[in-house]
Amino acid sequence: AQSVTQLDSQVPVFEEAPVELRCNYSSSVSVYLFWYVQYPNQGLQLLLKYLSGSTLVESINGFEAEFNKSQTSFHLRKPSVHISDTAEYFCAVSESGGSYIPTFGRGTSLIVHP
Amino acid sequence: DADVTQTPRNRITKTGKRIMLECSQTKGHDRMYWYRQDPGLGLQLIYYSFDVKDINKGEISDGYSVSRQAQAKFSLSLESAIPNQTALYFCATSGPFATDTQYFGPGTRLTVL
Repeated sequence: AQSVTQLDSQVPVFEEAPVELRCNYSSSVSVYLFWYVQYPNQGLQLLLKYLSGSTLVESINGFEAEFNKSQTSFHLRKPSVHISDTAEYFCAVSESGGSYIPTFGRGTSLIVHP
Repeated sequence: DADVTQTPRNRITKTGKRIMLECSQTKGHDRMYWYRQDPGLGLQLIYYSFDVKDINKGEISDGYSVSRQAQAKFSLSLESAIPNQTALYFCATSGPFATDTQYFGPGTRLTVL
């Protein structure tokens, strides 16, 4: 069975600083990996996802994540954060077989200070 | 218009009351889900439905029931609410593949006194 671990429950950072949100997964089969973002008082929305091909995937607002199969990781990074990036970030994994229902991590709260 | 809508957005109720949370989607997907979010626990799957006639329990279904009235509608009921069901509830929908994105509603904040 698949599982996801987000290593940090909260990450405080100053505006314009770089940030990395860590995500590790466990699975015995091929996986697809997702990052979702939840802004205050909203539902989750997809930020980016890795399906196949290039291991580096990017979002439209400057985030990127790299799939590392050997380390079973899918860390999310941004070189310079904005106040508006303050949100809860969830990593999720779906396996290539079975019910195709994703498993979500517990979330990382990114807090950007001015 | 939003792809997934939930009503009500906020609800305060008392222990023992029956509560229904409603969800509608316009994505045309067969799959729908109900999740519960508690601080520090992430998302926990309550029930999921692969189509109108296929409903399944998730990891925390005790104390909850669901009804899939149509492809677009999936409601969650608490037959007799208790305080530890105070949480944020999300409905979601997706396509049938592991590569598909889940689309979430805005959530219902439920408080059980």
